[in-house]
Amino acid sequence: DAGVTQSPTHLIKTRGQHVTLRCSPISGHKSVSWYQQVLGQGPQFIFQYYEKEERGRGNFPDRFSARQFPNYSSELNVNALLLGDSALYLCASSLLQFSYEQYFGPGTRLTVT
Amino acid sequence: RKEVEQDPGPFNVPEGATVAFNCTYSNSASQSFFWYRQDCRKEPKLLMSVYSSGNEDGRFTAQLNRASQYISLLIRDSKLSDSATYLCVALTDSWGKFQFGAGTQVVVTP
Repeated sequence: DAGVTQSPTHLIKTRGQHVTLRCSPISGHKSVSWYQQVLGQGPQFIFQYYEKEERGRGNFPDRFSARQFPNYSSELNVNALLLGDSALYLCASSLLQFSYEQYFGPGTRLTVT
Repeated sequence: RKEVEQDPGPFNVPEGATVAFNCTYSNSASQSFFWYRQDCRKEPKLLMSVYSSGNEDGRFTAQLNRASQYISLLIRDSKLSDSATYLCVALTDSWGKFQFGAGTQVVVTP
């Protein structure tokens, strides 16, 4: 079975630009969560979506937004990029909203110059 | 204060030895706990859940101490392939918000 997939793998953007990251969950999983991981730190929670609705949001500015599609795939959008947005963006899927086991995709490495 | 704190290490461990390390959490309402393993520049992978009674999976043993608000991970008979960063996770909300620690680096040497 395919695991969580994310695209693109790597991305380089300049300050002020906008970026869209994509995630496809494991087949049958209905919940997708997004995390930001800065070098040397653990992943920080950004959003959780379940059944196409936002169910949770971490402490990130409104420049960050996301959505989930009917096929349960998801997009993370970041506007007005800052240098500090450079990080590994991880997507995790789980079977249900309250399923405790999350499975991570390989991530998208975003560099903002 | 961070919700989940870990000793960053590194813990340098001879092959075949035992290593153990803890993780503390500040939210007493945390419901579930996990250990994830993360290799350099890779995604975290679930290693094991941590149950109240403690649990073992092969060479790995996890313990939960709710009174002192910490969880532990013990690795026996360390292998070179155990070299990684171990992330402690606490589930603090019913809808599945994971709070990650910054990770403990383990380096197993020949």
